[in-house]
Amino acid sequence: GQNIDQPTEMTATEGAIVQINCTYQTSGFNGLFWYQQHAGEAPTFLSYNVLDGLEEKGRFSSFLSRSKGYSYLLLKELQMKDSASYLCAVRVPDSWGKLQFGAGTQVVVTP
Amino acid sequence: GAVVSQHPSWVICKSGTSVKIECRSLDFQATTMFWYRQFPKQSLMLMATSNEGSKATYEQGVEKDKFLINHASLTLSTLTVTSAHPEDSSFYICSVPTPSGLTYEQYFGPGTRLTVT
Repeated sequence: GQNIDQPTEMTATEGAIVQINCTYQTSGFNGLFWYQQHAGEAPTFLSYNVLDGLEEKGRFSSFLSRSKGYSYLLLKELQMKDSASYLCAVRVPDSWGKLQFGAGTQVVVTP
Repeated sequence: GAVVSQHPSWVICKSGTSVKIECRSLDFQATTMFWYRQFPKQSLMLMATSNEGSKATYEQGVEKDKFLINHASLTLSTLTVTSAHPEDSSFYICSVPTPSGLTYEQYFGPGTRLTVT
């Protein structure tokens, strides 16, 4: 099975940078995803990492270290609309894209 | 990518009744769909994998006789919550995996909020 850990909540001010860490223990690895979810809405895709290193996409970047079972999502130049839950998810091997989600990190952006 | 719809977006039902939730893939033929459940302030929990033309496969701890899944066509999967109880009140989300390079991207429906009174 999979075990995925991420902090419960983080608070940061508008314009700042926040880093959300995710650690995982899995039997096999086929990629790690980050999703953003606003309250009452479905998750939206942010990033996908399958190889070690940093993937940058605008204000959001995601990093993966497979040997350490570790990923982080970096949010730069925080905006109020970035207040949301951020979900780390690991793809279950040989499963047609089935995902195992972490508990999610609630990011609160303050003025 | 796939565009996924769900119906209804919210529903209130009385304890003991059954509720059907539809998940439609509007522009992609989906042989597989996933059903998730999310309780307030918790993450998404995978309930089952819906397979077109065959039985669904359920995750450990999910009662298959209570959560009936039917995937009768390549564009429609339905989840029926039978004999609903207040503890079944939750946010139900479906997703459609579509091939993307070496992996699959998940396209989520907008979710259905079920309240059982």
